[in-house]
Amino acid sequence: AQTVTQSQPEMSVQEAETVTLSCTYDTSESDYYLFWYKQPPSRQMILVIRQEAYKQQNATENRFSVNFQKAAKSFSLKISDSQLGDAAMYFCAHDMRFGAGTRLTVKP
Amino acid sequence: DAGVTQSPTHLIKTRGQQVTLRCSPISGHKSVSWYQQVLGQGPQFIFQYYEKEERGRGNFPDRFSARQFPNYSSELNVNALLLGDSALYLCASSLGWTGLHYEQYFGPGTRLTVT
Repeated sequence: AQTVTQSQPEMSVQEAETVTLSCTYDTSESDYYLFWYKQPPSRQMILVIRQEAYKQQNATENRFSVNFQKAAKSFSLKISDSQLGDAAMYFCAHDMRFGAGTRLTVKP
Repeated sequence: DAGVTQSPTHLIKTRGQQVTLRCSPISGHKSVSWYQQVLGQGPQFIFQYYEKEERGRGNFPDRFSARQFPNYSSELNVNALLLGDSALYLCASSLGWTGLHYEQYFGPGTRLTVT
């Protein structure tokens, strides 16, 4: 069965600093996308960034970027210049499966 | 454009009862998926419907069922409610049927409490 693993239940970062959230996945597919979603305390899940597996270039979306290692099946999210509004649960997703999430706290 | 909408927002039911949750996808999206999210955990996949046909099913008992209507809206039904069914139920819509290639857009969820 395909699985998604997030090994960091909680992470903390100082405002304006950089933090990296980890994710590993298991898949038998060769052509697929990977996603990071954010779920703030309001609980509306929103897409942060996506990565196409056939693209070697790591996806970037403003302050958010990924480090995609296809052979290692690793897909980490880097948040640069962290802001108070980044505080939320972050979920890594592959196909219809989500990781357990990482709760990110941003300290002022 | 309106996002994914779900109703009701909150629901309280008693063990053994039945519940129906509703979802309207983003206009133009033909796929609707349902997830169960227990507090503190990631969403667990229940069903996916595309063009009114079931395209995927997660590891949930037969008490859970769903359908998709011609206008692409969807209902999730849960029979014989158990205390463990208490959770946030999320609906997501996407353009295509495979989660491998399409991002999902989520609704605000329905909070179900079973007493």
